[in-house]
Amino acid sequence: QLQLQESGPGLVKPSETLSLTCSVSGGSIITNDYYWGWVRQPPGKGLEWIGSISYSGNTYSSPSLKSRVTVSVDTSKSQFSLSLSSVTAADTAVYYCARHVLLGTEFFDSWGQGTLVTVSS
Amino acid sequence: QSALTQPPSASGSPGQSVTISCTGTSSDVGAYKYVSWYQQYPGEAPKLMIYDVNKRPSGVPDRFSGSKSGNTASLTVSGLQAEDEADYYCSSYAGDNNVLFGEGTKLTVL
Repeated sequence: QLQLQESGPGLVKPSETLSLTCSVSGGSIITNDYYWGWVRQPPGKGLEWIGSISYSGNTYSSPSLKSRVTVSVDTSKSQFSLSLSSVTAADTAVYYCARHVLLGTEFFDSWGQGTLVTVSS
Repeated sequence: QSALTQPPSASGSPGQSVTISCTGTSSDVGAYKYVSWYQQYPGEAPKLMIYDVNKRPSGVPDRFSGSKSGNTASLTVSGLQAEDEADYYCSSYAGDNNVLFGEGTKLTVL
């Protein structure tokens, strides 16, 4: 059974870069059938798609975050990562990694448990 | 682009049916058949309940169904059960490899 697990600092200072990694197990990250994505949820608020990447490095990002987002993949470690630069308190959220079905359809069918990142000095 | 519009709350008694709406525009919900719905319990990750407007993943009860008309998609939960009390989010493909989520609806089973 596919498992995704987020990891990274739980506290980031304003203006710095938030960096998270998602480790994929129970299935191969090298697949033409799926992308690998990031979704966040501010406390008490709704979900927001951040960006997604294929195993070959093809990336898509939310237009509202694109200038600050970098999504990368390391197939040798079965991991993909998120970098979000110039963070502010508005970036405080639970960050989820998820498997993103994006070929001929669109949905997230397997999710990590999420990790809370707080932006504060 | 703005989030898709959902009612903040919905409710029903056990055994009843409840429908949650998700309104977008002709550029997202109205343009594509790629609408999905997620169920989320407090403190947990979302779970896929419906994809491609009306398809259910394996393991999702057939009490959950989806539909779409114009720029509005809907999730219907029939035969409400206590375990259905959760937050529900819709999502739609919005073109140019962009994805929008709804604001979320808190479903209460009375």
